[in-house]
Amino acid sequence: AQTVTQSQPEMSVQEAETVTLSCTYDTSENNYYLFWYKQPPSRQMILVIRQEAYKQQNATENRFSVNFQKAAKSFSLKISDSQLGDTAMYFCAFLRDDKIIFGKGTRLHILP
Amino acid sequence: DTGVSQDPRHKITKRGQNVTFRCDPISEHNRLYWYRQTLGQGPEFLTYFQNEAQLEKSRLLSDRFSAERPKGSFSTLEIQRTEQGDSAMYLCASSLLLAGGVFYNEQFFGPGTRLTVL
Repeated sequence: AQTVTQSQPEMSVQEAETVTLSCTYDTSENNYYLFWYKQPPSRQMILVIRQEAYKQQNATENRFSVNFQKAAKSFSLKISDSQLGDTAMYFCAFLRDDKIIFGKGTRLHILP
Repeated sequence: DTGVSQDPRHKITKRGQNVTFRCDPISEHNRLYWYRQTLGQGPEFLTYFQNEAQLEKSRLLSDRFSAERPKGSFSTLEIQRTEQGDSAMYLCASSLLLAGGVFYNEQFFGPGTRLTVL
C-alpha cells in the first residue's frame, strides 16, 4: 500500500503567484517526520522543509510553508511569491524506520 | 564543504553486463543510503549502512545487486547481469546519526548516477 500520495502530477503557475501542493499519507505511528523535497532539472534532491508530527505549529522556511493536518493525515506545501527557480519536481516524503518513503511527485512549472 | 558525490554521473551499458557505481558521502557521516528512482516516480529505498555494516536491504534489491561500504566511508553498488528494467537513476544519501538515540538525522542526497541498459 502506498504510504504517501500526491494527487497532482503536474501544475503550472505564473511567477509571483502562490501555489499549494497537496499530499496525504498513511501511518499508524504517533511521532514521525514529514518532508518536502525539491528536485530541480539538474536532479539533485534538496530538502525544502520538514515537519515533526508532535509539533502543532506548521513549519515555515522563508517563502515555503506547510499546512499540517495530523488528524486528516494531510501535509500540503505552500510556495508564496513563486520564482522561476522554483521550477522542479516536488516530493512529499515520510520518514519510517530510518528510511525515507517518497510520493510520486508533483512537477511544478513556474511561468514567466 | 563538499556534499555527497557519485561517480559516474551517467552509465550506458548493454544488457547482461555488470556495472558498479560509487558514492562518497559527506565526510564523517556514518550512515549511507541507496535509493533508486525510475522515470516519473519518487525514489525508492534500496539499502543502507551504518559505518561498514549493512543494516537493511529492500526486497527491491535482487540477488543481482550488491552493495558494500568496506571502510565505512565510500560505498559501491554493483549490478550484475543488467536488465533493461534496471534502467533508472541511482541516488545515494548520507547522514550523521548522533549517539543518544536522536530520532531524526537529515539525509543529504548526491546528484545520482543515471543508468541506461540497452
